[in-house]
Amino acid sequence: QQQVKQSPQSLIVQKGGISIINCAYENTAFDYFPWYQQFPGKGPALLIAIRPDVSEKKEGRFTISFNKSAKQFSLHIMDSQPGDSATYFCAPTGGGYNKLIFGAGTRLAVHP
Amino acid sequence: DVKVTQSSRYLVKRTGEKVFLECVQDMDHENMFWYRQDPGLGLRLIYFSYDVKMKEKGDIPEGYSVSREKKERFSLILESASTNQTSMYLCASSSQGAREKLFFGSGTQLSVL
Repeated sequence: QQQVKQSPQSLIVQKGGISIINCAYENTAFDYFPWYQQFPGKGPALLIAIRPDVSEKKEGRFTISFNKSAKQFSLHIMDSQPGDSATYFCAPTGGGYNKLIFGAGTRLAVHP
Repeated sequence: DVKVTQSSRYLVKRTGEKVFLECVQDMDHENMFWYRQDPGLGLRLIYFSYDVKMKEKGDIPEGYSVSREKKERFSLILESASTNQTSMYLCASSSQGAREKLFFGSGTQLSVL
């Protein structure tokens, strides 16, 4: 079983602050690194993803930072808003491994 | 808008019952998946299918079976429900060209009493 370790388990951030969630993986053959966002009562939805040919990808207030040598990637949420309150999952995959490996999830609460 | 529909939002069953969870997608996706979600454990893959009448075991297939008779429909079957199968069940689909980009349904919260 491939290991994916996500941290922290929960996070409280004030409105306007920066939220940072980390994901460490073991399989060096992984080549797709997504973050999924899940609101209460809904299924997860793809938020942003990165391939290992770049070290950073930004989409609006959301940024993925990728560190290949450390086998880690992170989600940064700039100017965090109460509407960002959700559970976030990393789910790396690739290298012939035909399924996503989900982290345990991070519950983010952004307080107004 | 793409859609994955799970037949029930909440389901309460008794120990030993046979339970069917249904999932339908309208995106003509080849790949379909069943996950269970438990607090602190993330999403764990039960079964998946890359084609009609085809199935592959995921990480936790014990106590479950699946059926895919049509491309758009993927059913999860609990042959004899047990209390440790109380969980949130999520169905997902993806296209063959982007198999890692999953689209999820809203989930079925199953309680086995």
